[in-house]
Amino acid sequence: QVQLQESGPGLVKPSQTLSLTCTVSGGSISSGAYYWSWIRQHPGKGLEWIGYIYYSGSTYYTPSLKSRVTISVDTSKNQFSLKLSSVTAADTAVYYCARDRAGYTQDSYLDYWGQGTLVTVSS
Amino acid sequence: DIQMTQSPSSLSASLGDRVTITCRASQSISTYLNWYQQKPGKAPKFLIYAASRLQSEVPSRFSGSGSGTDFTLTISSLQPDDFASYYCQQSFTMPRTFGQGTKLEIK
Repeated sequence: QVQLQESGPGLVKPSQTLSLTCTVSGGSISSGAYYWSWIRQHPGKGLEWIGYIYYSGSTYYTPSLKSRVTISVDTSKNQFSLKLSSVTAADTAVYYCARDRAGYTQDSYLDYWGQGTLVTVSS
Repeated sequence: DIQMTQSPSSLSASLGDRVTITCRASQSISTYLNWYQQKPGKAPKFLIYAASRLQSEVPSRFSGSGSGTDFTLTISSLQPDDFASYYCQQSFTMPRTFGQGTKLEIK
């Protein structure tokens, strides 16, 4: 059974960089069978897809966040990470990592999710 | 980006009721539509892909249908575990986008 677990600071100051890591267990990122995604949910709101990474390092970011987002992968640790720069209060959200069955292809869906981690942007 | 609009935003229903949630895409997405269930304080759970295909272990009371721009999620007989929020998501094109969600509450 695949499990994903987010980790990182729960509080980030405005203008700084939000950094989160997702640790995958029960399956290898290096298998190349899946893509690895980040999604966020503002308090009391809906879901916003941020982007994904493939084990090779290939990425796709949603255009609205592209200038501030970096997703990276560390296959040796079976982890992938999210960095979001120049954060403001509008970036306060629960951040989820998830496994994407097929990435950019149309057969894509998010079949396993981490429990989520709340990141608050505040001074 | 493709806009996904769900209706209603919230819905009250009773145990045993048949419930239908609608998701509309701003352009045709064929059947590239997924559904997720989310309970308060929990991560979303994947339910349905390709508009109508149930993920394994999802109860058969759940069903999905539709193609093009209009889709539905139906729960044939509401059970206590079904009271949650439901989200549709298109996988037709990038970036992936979700509907705003439908909150299903107990009447």
